[in-house]
Amino acid sequence: GAGVSQSPSNKVTEKGKDVELRCDPISGHTALYWYRQSLGQGLEFLIYFQGNSAPDKSGLPSDRFSAERTGGSVSTLTIQRTQQEDSAVYLCASSRRGFTDTQYFGPGTRLTVL
Amino acid sequence: AQSVTQLGSHVSVSEGALVLLRCNYSSSVPPYLFWYVQYPNQGLQLLLKYTTGATLVKGINGFEAEFKKSETSFHLTKPSAHMSDAAEYFCAVSPPYSGGGADGLTFGKGTHLIIQP
Repeated sequence: GAGVSQSPSNKVTEKGKDVELRCDPISGHTALYWYRQSLGQGLEFLIYFQGNSAPDKSGLPSDRFSAERTGGSVSTLTIQRTQQEDSAVYLCASSRRGFTDTQYFGPGTRLTVL
Repeated sequence: AQSVTQLGSHVSVSEGALVLLRCNYSSSVPPYLFWYVQYPNQGLQLLLKYTTGATLVKGINGFEAEFKKSETSFHLTKPSAHMSDAAEYFCAVSPPYSGGGADGLTFGKGTHLIIQP
C-alpha cells in the first residue's frame, strides 16, 4: 500500500515568510509524528498526534512553529516568520496505534530559508 | 530524560567484513530500542526493533542487534558487509509509556557506514 507522503519535497523561501508543510499518513494509522533533521542538531522530535487528541507541543522549537491534524488524518506543520536556522529536512512519520509501534517515515520536505 | 550515543560518526569496513555499529542509551527505565537506516536522498527505514522478550533481534538485510541491559547497549551487527549497506544508520529509543512530552523517538547522531571494495 501507499506509504507516508509529504509535500512539497523541496521548499525555498525568504526569511520572514510563512511556510506550510503537509503530511499524509498511511491509511488507518492513528499516530502521526513530525521530526526535524538538520546538520547541527541531528534528528529532533517535534510533535506527536494520537488520533484527534490535542498534541503535546513542548517539543516544538519556538512559538513560530505550530501543527494541526484534521480529521485524524492529514497534518500540516506551519512555520511563521521563517529564520535561516529553520532550514532543515522536516520528516513526518506515522504508526498504527502509538509511539511504541513501528514508525514509517515519509521522504521529507527540504526547507531552505534564504 | 533519554539520550542515545552512537560511537563513531563514520565507520569504514571492507566488503565481506563484520559490521559493528555501537549504540548506548541512557534512560530511567528500559526503553524500546530501534535501528533505522537512511540511504542517500531517501527516508528512514526501520531495520529492527526491541520492545520485550528475546534480547537478540533480527532485522532486514541480515542485520541483528542485541539488547544488553547491564551495558545499556544495543549494538548493530552484520556478519558480512555488502556494498549496498553503505548508508547512514540511526539508533533510537522511546519510553515504554506515554506522556510527559516524551512520545517521540530520541535519535542518536547517526553513523555513516562506508564499505570499501
